[in-house]
Amino acid sequence: GNSVTQMEGPVTLSEEAFLTINCTYTATGYPSLFWYVQYPGEGLQLLLKATKADDKGSNKGFEATYRKETTSFHLEKGSVQVSDSAVYFCALYGGATNKLIFGTGTLLAVQP
Amino acid sequence: NAGVTQTPKFQVLKTGQSMTLQCAQDMNHEYMSWYRQDPGMGLRLIHYSVGAGITDQGEVPNGYNVSRSTTEDFPLRLLSAAPSQTSVYFCASSDGVGYTFGSGTRLTVV
Repeated sequence: GNSVTQMEGPVTLSEEAFLTINCTYTATGYPSLFWYVQYPGEGLQLLLKATKADDKGSNKGFEATYRKETTSFHLEKGSVQVSDSAVYFCALYGGATNKLIFGTGTLLAVQP
Repeated sequence: NAGVTQTPKFQVLKTGQSMTLQCAQDMNHEYMSWYRQDPGMGLRLIHYSVGAGITDQGEVPNGYNVSRSTTEDFPLRLLSAAPSQTSVYFCASSDGVGYTFGSGTRLTVV
């Protein structure tokens, strides 16, 4: 079945550092891929998405490219801020049942 | 504001008690789902529904029941609460393109 694997955290960075959070997936067919963000004490918000191979999703300085050849959707940001501290979830959607499958989440802590 | 509304936000239950977590959406989405979030395990799908009158099991359905009598509502019932059901529960709805999540219910079973 479909699955998502993302790097374990926590990831601790200094402000203005470069961020990469790895995400790989296993799926049949051509799924859509998402990154969600959860700030402390809140629900999940969609950060960005890509619906087909080679698409690049971007939002708030974050980017991720749908790489079918490596089945990856790594999240990147060139310069993180303290306000980016949150848990980031990679997710996959595909198939007739509309199931959204999540990775285990990666906690990002940005220090000033 | 349009979206997914979950109630209650917090709940403490004793082992063996039953309760219903409410979820309502006003976006006319056909698809709704319930997830639980546990440390180190991400979000796991409990039950989902592709339309009124249709429900199916997700990854971790045991101990939970759902029904979908209307498009708007998708309640989650705990039949006999157990400490292992201590978690944060999220309801989500989808139009097949994007998902909208509720703000969650933090449940503690003692």
